Amino acid sequence: EADIYQTPRYLVIGTGKKITLECSQTMGHDKMYWYQQDPGMELHLIHYSYGVNSTEKGDLSSESTVSRIRTEHFPLTLESARPSHTSQYLCASSEYIGSLPGETQYFGPGTRLLVL
Amino acid sequence: AQKVTQAQTEISVVEKEDVTLDCVYETRDTTYYLFWYKQPPSGELVFLIRRNSFDEQNEISGRYSWNFQKSTSSFNFTITASQVVDSAVYFCALSEGGPRDYQLIWGAGTKLIIKP
Repeated sequence: EADIYQTPRYLVIGTGKKITLECSQTMGHDKMYWYQQDPGMELHLIHYSYGVNSTEKGDLSSESTVSRIRTEHFPLTLESARPSHTSQYLCASSEYIGSLPGETQYFGPGTRLLVL
Repeated sequence: AQKVTQAQTEISVVEKEDVTLDCVYETRDTTYYLFWYKQPPSGELVFLIRRNSFDEQNEISGRYSWNFQKSTSSFNFTITASQVVDSAVYFCALSEGGPRDYQLIWGAGTKLIIKP
């Protein structure tokens, strides 16, 4: 079982503010992911990373950006929050096993963001 | 194209009843993996099971069991003697190799309500 942490768990913020959602994992996993999800609805991949200095955009277009300077840390930043960004953001990690499928993704507890 | 279908949007049963959640997938790959995750009201995604395409044996873990049938491209999940704590949204997901090895293909989820 992976240990993966997200802070804050809940965030209420005004429009136009810059926010950073933190995600850290202690499993030494190379791959990390950010998903956006409205409660109980389908997950949408917005960013992923294969390792340090690697970041890619996912299938869902997002105005957020990510960085991967350390293996264990994968923060997500919104430069100017808007009400349309209101959602739950889930971070996950998995052990990279090459181009083979089957990596199990382990999830953090999520951050629920409300932009007023 | 790859796809995961969870046709049951919501299921409601009375405690102690057995319940089956359906998952049908589409893939052209011969090597792939299937997953089930549970998302309780608290929001985190909890990994339940991972199954590869070459292992069609059914799996049982306590009150949980999974039936994988390649002939019908299904990977169904049964909870026996359901309990209120089983109330959650359950997601089925598919992992393939190749150019999309970075992501899981998610179903839309089935909301399971267990009434006391």
